Amino acid sequence: NAGVTQTPKFRILKIGQSMTLQCTQDMNHNYMYWYRQDPGMGLKLIYYSVGAGITDKGEVPNGYNVSRSTTEDFPLRLELAAPSQTSVYFCATSAWGGTQYFGPGTRLTVL
Amino acid sequence: ELKVEQNPLFLSMQEGKNYTIYCNYSTTSDRLYWYRQDPGKSLESLFVLLSNGAVKQEGRLMASLDTKARLSTLHITAAVHDLSATYFCAAPSGYALNFGKGTSLLVTP
Repeated sequence: NAGVTQTPKFRILKIGQSMTLQCTQDMNHNYMYWYRQDPGMGLKLIYYSVGAGITDKGEVPNGYNVSRSTTEDFPLRLELAAPSQTSVYFCATSAWGGTQYFGPGTRLTVL
Repeated sequence: ELKVEQNPLFLSMQEGKNYTIYCNYSTTSDRLYWYRQDPGKSLESLFVLLSNGAVKQEGRLMASLDTKARLSTLHITAAVHDLSATYFCAAPSGYALNFGKGTSLLVTP
């Protein structure tokens, strides 16, 4: 089992460009999450999903969108990239009340 | 809003010494998670503490939870270089987790 996979691993975007960060899990978990990690700031929740077709905003959702059409996939969309979105993005998954398992991360730079 | 605070944020310790990392959280929670992150890597689950008084140990690391004091501790015994990493605690907030800022641990000879 691969667990949680994320693509791409690294990406450089120009200001105003768009991109989608992919997240796929094979753990059959209903709950999926997107976090961003900035140096010295811990992790901040962007969006989460409690199942296919159900998503909700986290602490820092501005500038991002998500969708959840299947249990396995939870892509994160950046529509108009800004330098403030330079960060490391982690996708995670869990069963209800269980440990969250994290993907390897995507390191994004916006110039 | 749930706040999670760790201290210290930076810790340099000698091999063989003992030390404790503290994690305070601001609202009632019956669960607490500890994660480890190596530089440039993802987060790895270390411990899940599920009730008041829970204690878990893995190698040189021992975690405990006091829900009445809203405090968890991660105790390091006889530190070795391999324990150098950043350690995060996290408490549930709705469907997700609120993370502390992390404690960067450096173990030196």
